[in-house]
Amino acid sequence: KAGVTQTPRYLIKTRGQQVTLSCSPISGHRSVSWYQQTPGQGLQFLFEYFSETQRNKGNFPGRFSGRQFSNSRSEMNVSTLELGDSALYLCASSLVQGGEQYFGPGTRLTVT
Amino acid sequence: ELKVEQNPLFLSMQEGKNYTIYCNYSTTSDRLYWYRQDPGKSLESLFVLLSNGAVKQEGRLMASLDTKARLSTLHITAAVHDLSATYFCAMNYGGATNKLIFGTGTLLAVQP
Repeated sequence: KAGVTQTPRYLIKTRGQQVTLSCSPISGHRSVSWYQQTPGQGLQFLFEYFSETQRNKGNFPGRFSGRQFSNSRSEMNVSTLELGDSALYLCASSLVQGGEQYFGPGTRLTVT
Repeated sequence: ELKVEQNPLFLSMQEGKNYTIYCNYSTTSDRLYWYRQDPGKSLESLFVLLSNGAVKQEGRLMASLDTKARLSTLHITAAVHDLSATYFCAMNYGGATNKLIFGTGTLLAVQP
């Protein structure tokens, strides 16, 4: 069974630009969550989607947004990038809400 | 608000020695997870602990949960170099949600 996949794996952007990251969950998994990992703040929850609806949102500015499609694939978007947005963005999927989560390899975003 | 504290932040140990990583949390929740992360990699699920007194073991790692003390421990027995990684504990926010609150992580370095 294929795991969670994330694209792209690495990304370099300039301040002020926007970026879209993609996550394909494990087949059959309907819940997708996103996390940001930085050396300073550690692992922080961004949002959670289930059945194309955002179920939970972390404490991040409105520049961070996401969505989920009918095939459970999810995207997150960050607009007006800041240097502090440089991070490893991890996506996780689970069969149901509250179930065990399986993490993807992450997208390493560098903002210059 | 759920807070998860982990200590120590850094642990240098010799091969063959035993040690314990501690994870304290502020409020009761449903599940406690332990993850392993290798440098530049994603999170690998190690254990899921569901109830008071739960103990799980895999190889040289053993995790336990004491809900009354709001404490989980990850015990390392006879450490080997391959166990060098960062270990995170995390708790779900409660209920049918995938929102995880992570500890700060413990960087484990096993010296030969």
